[in-house]
Amino acid sequence: GNSVTQMEGPVTLSEEAFLTINCTYTATGYPSLFWYVQYPGEGLQLLLKATKADDKGSNKGFEATYRKETTSFHLEKGSVQVSDSAVYFCALSAPGSARQLTFGSGTQLTVLP
Amino acid sequence: KAGVTQTPRYLIKTRGQQVTLSCSPISGHRSVSWYQQTPGQGLQFLFEYFSETQRNKGNFPGRFSGRQFSNSRSEMNVSTLELGDSALYLCASRSDQARNTGELFFGEGSRLTVL
Repeated sequence: GNSVTQMEGPVTLSEEAFLTINCTYTATGYPSLFWYVQYPGEGLQLLLKATKADDKGSNKGFEATYRKETTSFHLEKGSVQVSDSAVYFCALSAPGSARQLTFGSGTQLTVLP
Repeated sequence: KAGVTQTPRYLIKTRGQQVTLSCSPISGHRSVSWYQQTPGQGLQFLFEYFSETQRNKGNFPGRFSGRQFSNSRSEMNVSTLELGDSALYLCASRSDQARNTGELFFGEGSRLTVL
């Protein structure tokens, strides 16, 4: 079946530090890949997405590249801010089941001033 | 454009009771999905509705059910509540244009506590 494995958290960084959250997946065919973010007390918001191999999704300074050869979609940001503190979820939707998202376990990020 | 609206935001029930949660999707979105979020199991897919028809269902017992109305609003119901049903229930809607990409817009969720 389809699955998403995320880097275990929590992750604590100082402001302006570099962020990487690892995400690997297992799926048949060519899934679409997503990063969602959940701020405290809120629902999930789409952060970025990539729908085919070698695509780079980017938004708000975050980037992730769809790597088919390593089945990965790692999230990166060059300089994090306190306001980036949230839980980050990697997710996929597989061909034939695009109506259903499979999520990773989430990574709690805390950025200290 | 209003986002996905879920009601109630918080509720407390006791074991054996039933609960109904409501979701209003973004205007024009005909697809509504429900997810359960718990600390132990993470985010798990419950079901998806499109134009009043259930299109997909996750691996949950029959106590979990849902429906969608002609205005695309959706409800989910959990009967005979168990302690393990305590969770944040998230509703998400999708535009027809994104039906093949999986992009969802989520509400803030309904937090259910079962005592």
